[in-house]
Amino acid sequence: SQQGEEDPQALSIQEGENATMNCSYKTSINNLQWYRQNSGRGLVHLILIRSNEREKHSGRLRVTLDTSKKSSSLLITASRAADTASYFCATLSGAGSYQLTFGKGTKLSVIP
Amino acid sequence: DTGVSQDPRHKITKRGQNVTFRCDPISEHNRLYWYRQTLGQGPEFLTYFQNEAQLEKSRLLSDRFSAERPKGSFSTLEIQRTEQGDSAMYLCASSLVLTEAFFGQGTRLTVV
Repeated sequence: SQQGEEDPQALSIQEGENATMNCSYKTSINNLQWYRQNSGRGLVHLILIRSNEREKHSGRLRVTLDTSKKSSSLLITASRAADTASYFCATLSGAGSYQLTFGKGTKLSVIP
Repeated sequence: DTGVSQDPRHKITKRGQNVTFRCDPISEHNRLYWYRQTLGQGPEFLTYFQNEAQLEKSRLLSDRFSAERPKGSFSTLEIQRTEQGDSAMYLCASSLVLTEAFFGQGTRLTVV
C-alpha cells in the first residue's frame, strides 16, 4: 500500500522556472523524505524533514511540512533540464513501525 | 564503500520457476528494505529488516515471497513459482534508523 499522494502526477515547465510538487499522507510520521528517480534508475535521496520541522533547504530545493494538514511540498527553483525525473515523497511512520512508504510520484519534465 | 548493490541487474525467467535476488547494503546500515516498482508507479513496500530480524512484511506479499537477512548483512529475496504479474523492478535500500535510505540500482524481473 502507498501512504503518500503526490500532486500533480505530471508537471512540464520551461528551464529557469520554479517547480512545486505536493505530497499528502494519512498517518502520523517520524519524518518525511523526498527522492528523485531518473528513468529506469534507482532512487536518490534529496532531503529529509523531521516531524518537528516546518521548512528545510538544500541548494535549489526547499521543502515544507505541515503536520496539521498532513502535507508537504517540494520546491525546485531555477529548474534545469537535468532536473527532469520522477519525484517521490516517502514517509517514515511513527514509533513501533518505522516503515518507509512511498507515494506514486510526480513526473517532472523541464524543457530546455 | 560503493553503496547498495543488487544482483542480478536483470533476470528473465519462465513462469513457474523460482528466482532469488541478492542485496548487499551499506556495511554500517542496520535497516534493509525491499520494494517492488512497476512502470509509472512508486516503490511498493514489501518487507524490511532491522539487523537480522524481519520486522514487517506487506500484507500484499503472498506466501510465494520470502526474504532473509542472515547475520544482519546481505539479504536475499526469493520468489517461488513466478507468475507474469511478478514482472517488475525489485529495489533494495538500506539505512540507519530514522535516516534517509540509500537505494541500489534494482533487479528487473521479466516473467515470460
